[in-house]
Amino acid sequence: DVKVTQSSRYLVKRTGEKVFLECVQDMDHENMFWYRQDPGLGLRLIYFSYDVKMKEKGDIPEGYSVSREKKERFSLILESASTNQTSMYLCASLARGSSYEQYFGPGTRLTVT
Amino acid sequence: ILNVEQSPQSLHVQEGDSTNFTCSFPSSNFYALHWYRWETAKSPEALFVMTLNGDEKKKGRISATLNTKEGYSYLYIKGSQPEDSATYLCASVRSQGNLIFGKGTKLSVKP
Repeated sequence: DVKVTQSSRYLVKRTGEKVFLECVQDMDHENMFWYRQDPGLGLRLIYFSYDVKMKEKGDIPEGYSVSREKKERFSLILESASTNQTSMYLCASLARGSSYEQYFGPGTRLTVT
Repeated sequence: ILNVEQSPQSLHVQEGDSTNFTCSFPSSNFYALHWYRWETAKSPEALFVMTLNGDEKKKGRISATLNTKEGYSYLYIKGSQPEDSATYLCASVRSQGNLIFGKGTKLSVKP
């Protein structure tokens, strides 16, 4: 079974703090994704990566950056957290050349106060 | 950005009822359509990956159909059970291989 793990289920940070959300997958997938989920808005793509050291902006990249130094790990970085970044963050991965089915982590609920 | 629309936004049914909901998506440049089930406190899990016009897929009491020419997919649940309570997401695959999601249909099944 594919396993995607995220470093924290719940996180509380203060405005202006630098925040790291970590995601690790154990199936050697090339592609990894970061989404946020907000009530009434559904899942929205923040950033994705096709390979190590490669990154692409998704639909809502503002205020975020990412890092992919190793194939299995994809980090989402909030350089200076703001209250409007309070959300549920989901990481996902998929194998290149597959049916595009994505495998999701359990999510991190981030609260910025 | 492609727009994927789902309806209804939420649905409350009694145990044993059959139900269905809709996903609409732009029919041009179609690659594939996914349905995911997202239960509370769990990760979204793929139900179906559909690629061909006229596709029908079934998993137990849940089935889905696909019409790529008119840009819609239906998800059916026969004889709903409380464990079917979840948010059902559909997503269209974009040219880069990533997904654009609808806002989901939240299903609540009362015993």
